[in-house]
Amino acid sequence: QVQLVESGGGVVQPGRSLRLSCAASGFTFSTYAMHWVRQAPGKGLEWVAVISDDGSNKYSADSVKGRFTISRDNSKNTLYLQMNSLRAEDTAVYYCSRVNVVVTAPLDYWGQGTLVIVSS
Amino acid sequence: SYVLTQPPSVSVAPGQTARISCGGNNIETKGVHWYQQRPGQAPVLVVYDDSDRPSGIPERFSGSNSGNTATLTISRVEAGDEADYYCQVWDYISDHVVFGGGTKLTVL
Repeated sequence: QVQLVESGGGVVQPGRSLRLSCAASGFTFSTYAMHWVRQAPGKGLEWVAVISDDGSNKYSADSVKGRFTISRDNSKNTLYLQMNSLRAEDTAVYYCSRVNVVVTAPLDYWGQGTLVIVSS
Repeated sequence: SYVLTQPPSVSVAPGQTARISCGGNNIETKGVHWYQQRPGQAPVLVVYDDSDRPSGIPERFSGSNSGNTATLTISRVEAGDEADYYCQVWDYISDHVVFGGGTKLTVL
């Protein structure tokens, strides 16, 4: 069955960096585009970034552009989110999700999320 | 940037029909997807491309999209349907995913 397992969350000071990982299994990872979506405590869903199946195309939200980088390693079936210059407003549960081939498709499976807390 | 507007809350009695709207400029030209998120859980896709259902989603969940409003309809509402619901589109101009603000469905 499809599994997406996020890891790498934790408590980090403002201005520091963190890298999240999303381990995929149960499907052919290299044929799916992948998204990161976050949810601040008590708030709604906020899209963060997407990467195409082969990693050649990437798009990100204005709120994280220049600070966050999405990447993937298809040989390891793993998606990453490198987060630099973290701010308090980046505090959220971060979910990875897959879409079928094209980045515009619906997000059909989601991981359970990993919590990032940015605080001094 | 493209904006999706949802009512913050909708309430319905068990067995009745719930309708959750998602407003956006000329939204009928976009494919709208809907997600259910129960408390403490990850979102689940319940309707995609305006009106299609993923396997395993009950037929009670349906969707429509016309003009400036897309609608998620839940028939014969059950207590287990109580959750937050989000609409989502892809904005081709900005190459961004856009989510609505979410609607909390309360089953009375």
